[in-house]
Amino acid sequence: EPEVTQTPSHQVTQMGQEVILRCVPISNHLYFYWYRQILGQKVEFLVSFYNNEISEKSEIFDDQFSVERPDGSNFTLKIRSTKLEDSAMYFCASSEERGQDYGYTFGSGTRLTVV
Amino acid sequence: DAKTTQPPSMDCAEGRAANLPCNHSTISGNEYVYWYRQIHSQGPQYIIHGLKNNETNEMASLIITEDRKSSTLILPHATLRDTAVYYCIVLHINDYKLSFGAGTTVTVRA
Repeated sequence: EPEVTQTPSHQVTQMGQEVILRCVPISNHLYFYWYRQILGQKVEFLVSFYNNEISEKSEIFDDQFSVERPDGSNFTLKIRSTKLEDSAMYFCASSEERGQDYGYTFGSGTRLTVV
Repeated sequence: DAKTTQPPSMDCAEGRAANLPCNHSTISGNEYVYWYRQIHSQGPQYIIHGLKNNETNEMASLIITEDRKSSTLILPHATLRDTAVYYCIVLHINDYKLSFGAGTTVTVRA
């Protein structure tokens, strides 16, 4: 069964450093998303991406965050200058279509620890 | 702005059916009911969704009441691997952001 692949599974970084989280969505999917989950809290929407541009972002997704699809297969989330409160699980997801007849496939996540 | 209400937890015996309720009394005609689950900090996993008809797939069945104000996810033969947090999510036809609540923590016991 096709899956969304995320790397690395765990990243430890120092506060103030830049990190890039990588995702390989399912190959025929057109819509891509990032969600995060702080330990013990709810899964939260960060951003959606379609046709090489952001289609929607949450208030969490401030200027420190950016996304891109650099080579047609990878989908990355960059945090420019990490803060302690960025420590969380980050989940990438993709869907074949935007709309309600399709579920979203999530990756297994990257655990980001900012120290 | 929670659109759904789920019990915080429930236990189920292995091999028995697990019936997970969800109230969504303010649901509109253009909103679907989705179910996802999350097994111990893994990525959420899509289970099933429906608009007004009952739905069944290889994982579960979804029963939606006629007035659409509530629904029940049925896991027909729960196994220990079904232990997870189950999320009931209402999603507008023109929206795609999944809003996860606290969900129901389901523990399947041998």
